[in-house]
Amino acid sequence: EVQLVESGGTLVKPGGSLRLSCAASGVTFSNLWMNWVRQAPGKGLEWVGRIKSEADGGTTDYPAHMKGRFTISRDDSRNTLFLQMDSLKTEDTAVYYCSTDIPFTGGTNFAFWGQGTLVTVSS
Amino acid sequence: QSALTQPASVSGSPGQSITISCTGTSSDVGSYNLISWYQQHPGQAPKLIIYEVTKRPSGVSTRFSGSKSGTTASLTISGLQADDEADYFCCSYAGSNSLVFGGGTKVTVL
Repeated sequence: EVQLVESGGTLVKPGGSLRLSCAASGVTFSNLWMNWVRQAPGKGLEWVGRIKSEADGGTTDYPAHMKGRFTISRDDSRNTLFLQMDSLKTEDTAVYYCSTDIPFTGGTNFAFWGQGTLVTVSS
Repeated sequence: QSALTQPASVSGSPGQSITISCTGTSSDVGSYNLISWYQQHPGQAPKLIIYEVTKRPSGVSTRFSGSKSGTTASLTISGLQADDEADYFCCSYAGSNSLVFGGGTKVTVL
């Protein structure tokens, strides 16, 4: 069974940077398309972006309004996904989840989730 | 892309059926049969309950079913139970390798 564990969430000042990690186990990580999804306090879910497997090109996709400040990467040798967040704003305060889809469904769902890590952007 | 539109809340009595709508556009819901639904209890991560409009992952109750007509997808919960009280989110593929969620619906079991 896929297990995902996020880490790295903390309190950071506006304008600061932060890198989140997501460690995967119980699965061949290199085969996975991985996503980040966030949820602001009391709000809905928001897709942050995705990285495909290296076999599928290792490319990244982001919602238009998030391009530029957020960067997703992966280290298959460490079974780990990363989210680099720069120029953080107060509205980036949220629980950040990593997630992956049901195999062979083209990355169009979020079947496995971590427990989330809280990022608070505040002065 | 804009978030998909869901009702803020839906309620029902135990044993009843309820339906949650998820309205998008011709660029997302209307163009792809790639709709998924998630259940989220307070303090927990979301759980996938429907994908590709009608499919249920292994282990998900048959009381949950999905459908789509035009630019609106729907989730029906039949035989409503106390544990179904949660937030529900829809999600659609929106083309150009992007995904968009709905704003969420709070389900209350009366």
